[in-house]
Amino acid sequence: GIQVEQSPPDLILQEGANSTLRCNFSDSVNNLQWFHQNPWGQLINLFYIPSGTKQNGRLSATTVATERYSLLYISSSQTTDSGVYFCAVPASGGSYIPTFGRGTSLIVHP
Amino acid sequence: KAGVTQTPRYLIKTRGQQVTLSCSPISGHRSVSWYQQTPGQGLQFLFEYFSETQRNKGNFPGRFSGRQFSNSRSEMNVSTLELGDSALYLCASSKMLTTGVFGNTEAFFGQGTRLTVV
Repeated sequence: GIQVEQSPPDLILQEGANSTLRCNFSDSVNNLQWFHQNPWGQLINLFYIPSGTKQNGRLSATTVATERYSLLYISSSQTTDSGVYFCAVPASGGSYIPTFGRGTSLIVHP
Repeated sequence: KAGVTQTPRYLIKTRGQQVTLSCSPISGHRSVSWYQQTPGQGLQFLFEYFSETQRNKGNFPGRFSGRQFSNSRSEMNVSTLELGDSALYLCASSKMLTTGVFGNTEAFFGQGTRLTVV
């Protein structure tokens, strides 16, 4: 099945810093989503971005489907950005079972 | 509009017991999928239901089962609980017209049920 790798696995920032999270996938996909898991466990949708670039406030994402990667940008980070960021893509071979990366754990210090 | 609602939020069970978790999808969503999250295995897909039919199933033993009702609400059941079943169980819903949960529409997650097996 499709392999999804996220980097870095851990990230520690000072409030106000910018960061880039990466998601590489091993096969072509027609769907990619970024999620933020808050400290209470809920997965919050950030972006549905099979290709192209989207922006939502301080967050933006770019997916280059032909090169099999997606980037999540966080600008002017805040302590509330702390948590784990996951990307998810459909499994390959026509299946619609989602495959998640292992996540990037982000800690933002005040 | 209301989001995906999972009940209960926390649960403690004894090894060998069974447990039922509930998920109410966003109004109008007909697809519900379930996931298990553990520190060791990460987020893993359990199964997906659409119009009361299981359409996809992950690689989990038969102790894990589910169903979906005509109002799209879904339940999952774990029988003969093992210590390793301790996890955060998440469900997600999507509009899903003809394809699976990650076909061509977004999936929205509930807050999860944290199950501890002792």
